[in-house]
Amino acid sequence: SAVISQKPSRDICQRGTSLTIQCQVDSQVTMMFWYRQQPGQSLTLIATANQGSEATYESGFVIDKFPISRPNLTFSTLTVSNMSPEDSSIYLCSARDSRETFYGYTFGSGTRLTVV
Amino acid sequence: AQKITQTQPGMFVQEKEAVTLDCTYDTSDQSYGLFWYKQPSSGEMIFLIYQGSYDEQNATEGRYSLNFQKARKSANLVISASQLGDSAMYFCAMREGTQGGSEKLVFGKGTKLTVNP
Repeated sequence: SAVISQKPSRDICQRGTSLTIQCQVDSQVTMMFWYRQQPGQSLTLIATANQGSEATYESGFVIDKFPISRPNLTFSTLTVSNMSPEDSSIYLCSARDSRETFYGYTFGSGTRLTVV
Repeated sequence: AQKITQTQPGMFVQEKEAVTLDCTYDTSDQSYGLFWYKQPSSGEMIFLIYQGSYDEQNATEGRYSLNFQKARKSANLVISASQLGDSAMYFCAMREGTQGGSEKLVFGKGTKLTVNP
């Protein structure tokens, strides 16, 4: 399975600013996903990022707030824009290559974001 | 409506004993996948075990086994011979959508497992 390097691992940001989170995969993958995990909660899918197409956002998440890039099959970024304390969460990227028989979804190590 | 239900917010088990973490799911799809992930306090998501909807045998991976009861729509995780390092959050998840197309994982709320020495 793929290995994902996610950074930064944590950050403390001022409200009103933006943070870009990067995920680098060690092999080409067709699908990448971005999740938010609010404190003490489960994972909620923000969007699916497939190379060569616009990201598909889940209900409650919008591109202006969470713009995503997917320039190639090994890399994706998520930006959290105009942050407020409510954006304090763990953000995780995930990947799966639909061309592989392996069914698992690999996750990055997460970004712990605190907005003050 | 919740698609993945984990009714146990917290569970305690003695070291070396077995523990079962419950998971029920709701889907009208014929083809789906069920996953269990472990999340230690460090935050990473560790894949434990997978069960496909058409798999007739219950999945096993080392000390982990999945008790799959399709008619009841349950996919309980059994951890045998618990170790102190098993203390973590455990999430049940289901893959929904067309595999390779609109697929995505939907997660339950999780169960916090504490292994006591």
